[in-house]
Amino acid sequence: GAGVSQSPSNKVTEKGKDVELRCDPISGHTALYWYRQRLGQGLEFLIYFQGNSAPDKSGLPSDRFSAERTGESVSTLTIQRTQQEDSAVYLCASSPIGGSYEQYFGPGTRLTVT
Amino acid sequence: QKEVEQDPGPLSVPEGAIVSLNCTYSNSAFQYFMWYRQYSRKGPELLMYTYSSGNKEDGRFTAQVDKSSKYISLFIRDSQPSDSATYLCAMMSNSGYALNFGKGTSLLVTP
Repeated sequence: GAGVSQSPSNKVTEKGKDVELRCDPISGHTALYWYRQRLGQGLEFLIYFQGNSAPDKSGLPSDRFSAERTGESVSTLTIQRTQQEDSAVYLCASSPIGGSYEQYFGPGTRLTVT
Repeated sequence: QKEVEQDPGPLSVPEGAIVSLNCTYSNSAFQYFMWYRQYSRKGPELLMYTYSSGNKEDGRFTAQVDKSSKYISLFIRDSQPSDSATYLCAMMSNSGYALNFGKGTSLLVTP
């Protein structure tokens, strides 16, 4: 079946602009996660959605970052007033249930802030 | 100090060699230990997982967890050029849901 998809695959933006990244999880997966992978660094947890529960936003690095999820489907990660340090690969993952070690990752969105 | 430490390499081995990858960690609450493989420009994919201590084998791959030393390993036997990728260790506690990743080790298997 179809895996996790993300769009765009690449995004180049100017410092100070807003960007929106999209994630389509695997159908039927109730949990959705966003991670960030900066060059030479491990994946950093950003935010977690589980069903209709309030999301865990504890990993968001600043208030310029926000995310939404519509029910158990699409999620968007928005970065406002982008900074050069926001340059990274943003990865989305989903799992059939919350709190699962088995997370299925999308290919990521490579964001470059110039 | 990061919760999960992993030598980024790169590690280069000839085809057929045994590869040993490892991570150390500091959080004793971690109970799930995973290895993800990430090819260039792709998302990570789960390779193996182990719950608590012990060994697990799957084909050419063996995962080991030593909780007393807070040390985990992944062994690849008869390595193939197709094994060339970045290997990420990841960990999670029983009550958690976010994976805690190491930086990843870049592996190159040369023919």
